[in-house]
Amino acid sequence: KAGVTQTPRYLIKTRGQQVTLSCSPISGHRSVSWYQQTPGQGLQFLFEYFSETQRNKGNFPGRFSGRQFSNSRSEMNVSTLELGDSALYLCASSLGLAVPSGANVLTFGAGSRLTVL
Amino acid sequence: GEDVEQSLFLSVREGDSSVINCTYTDSSSTYLYWYKQEPGAGLQLLTYIFSNMDMKQDQRLTVLLNKKDKHLSLRIADTQTGDSAIYFCAESRRWDNFNKFYFGSGTKLNVKP
Repeated sequence: KAGVTQTPRYLIKTRGQQVTLSCSPISGHRSVSWYQQTPGQGLQFLFEYFSETQRNKGNFPGRFSGRQFSNSRSEMNVSTLELGDSALYLCASSLGLAVPSGANVLTFGAGSRLTVL
Repeated sequence: GEDVEQSLFLSVREGDSSVINCTYTDSSSTYLYWYKQEPGAGLQLLTYIFSNMDMKQDQRLTVLLNKKDKHLSLRIADTQTGDSAIYFCAESRRWDNFNKFYFGSGTKLNVKP
């Protein structure tokens, strides 16, 4: 079955612009989580969406936002880009509910690498 | 990843065993995971262990869990240059009717030929 698909894979923006990244989860997965990965800060949790609702949120400013559609696809948006927003943005999907008899596994996409100049 | 800690770097020679360590703080963790990230790629699930288990073996990979000390380790036998990557430890904690995931900062494994 198809994995988690993130688009675009690479993009370059300038300071002050805004960007939208897309994530298509594995079929049947209702949860989509977003992470920011930078060399200095490691893997930082941005937010999680489940059934079109933000269920969990990390400590990022309001410039970072997201949404989820009825088909579970998710987008994240960063407005007023800053140099420090340059990072690999990873999306992960999962079933989203605690599974009584097994692990709820996160499956990651290949990421969208954003460079802000 | 403030509640999950890993050392940042590990260097081994090809053919040796690698041991990557991780500590976590929440004793209510349900599952613990090891992910591998190769350059330019996303995270790939390697293996996971249920919190009531002590050990899990899968080919060259052995996971050891010491729940009393909240210590998790990943042993890679006969390490190859293709094992060079960043390895992330993660835990899931039950929250209401779903799980929250917490990641360590990753251990960069360098395998020298």
